[in-house]
Amino acid sequence: GESVGLHLPTLSVQEGDNSIINCAYSNSASDYFIWYKQESGKGPQFIIDIRSNMDKRQGQRVTVLLNKTVKHLSLQIAATQPGDSAVYFCAENPTYGGATNKLIFGTGTLLAVQP
Amino acid sequence: NAGVTQTPKFRVLKTGQSMTLLCAQDMNHEYMYWYRQDPGMGLRLIHYSVGEGTTAKGEVPDGYNVSRLKKQNFLLGLESAAPSQTSVYFCASSWDRAYGYTFGSGTRLTVV
Repeated sequence: GESVGLHLPTLSVQEGDNSIINCAYSNSASDYFIWYKQESGKGPQFIIDIRSNMDKRQGQRVTVLLNKTVKHLSLQIAATQPGDSAVYFCAENPTYGGATNKLIFGTGTLLAVQP
Repeated sequence: NAGVTQTPKFRVLKTGQSMTLLCAQDMNHEYMYWYRQDPGMGLRLIHYSVGEGTTAKGEVPDGYNVSRLKKQNFLLGLESAAPSQTSVYFCASSWDRAYGYTFGSGTRLTVV
């Protein structure tokens, strides 16, 4: 079957290098943002989230940066490993959605780690 | 703790056949969602539910129906399958609007 990674922007990095994946979000009123990782043939997996009252949050080998002025998110992966190869996409939670939690997902970036 | 479980994982249908995709979560989440994922198009919301007994239409609801009779289960039905419904279907659930989703592993459906 076709891969979800077809037709996506691709970031190719060498094993051990740092990776930076970018995402432009659409709604200035969004108050919550998430990065997901999707490996081939699997469901999206939560990596890290950040709320709009923060501009940086760190996890294990990952850092998310939020720039609300230009509506931009980035995911930084330190010391990229072959197991990091996957499609990464961001999601935003627009506050105008009212009581319903309906995330808006980006289309994703394919991270290819070269050994 | 299984999280979100989808069955079946793979299915091939003939045009016009019907089927039901099953989604079960054991996290006591209120919100549940059905998405389809097609190459280059990202995740598109089909239907969702904000609690037991409730359902609502998402971005691409035509040709699908859903039911949430029990809090832990969310069923997606195709009454008369069409080739355009060939896709990978993901179920997800969440605790609240301020939290991310937990996804299932997907159902790959081919309609011939």
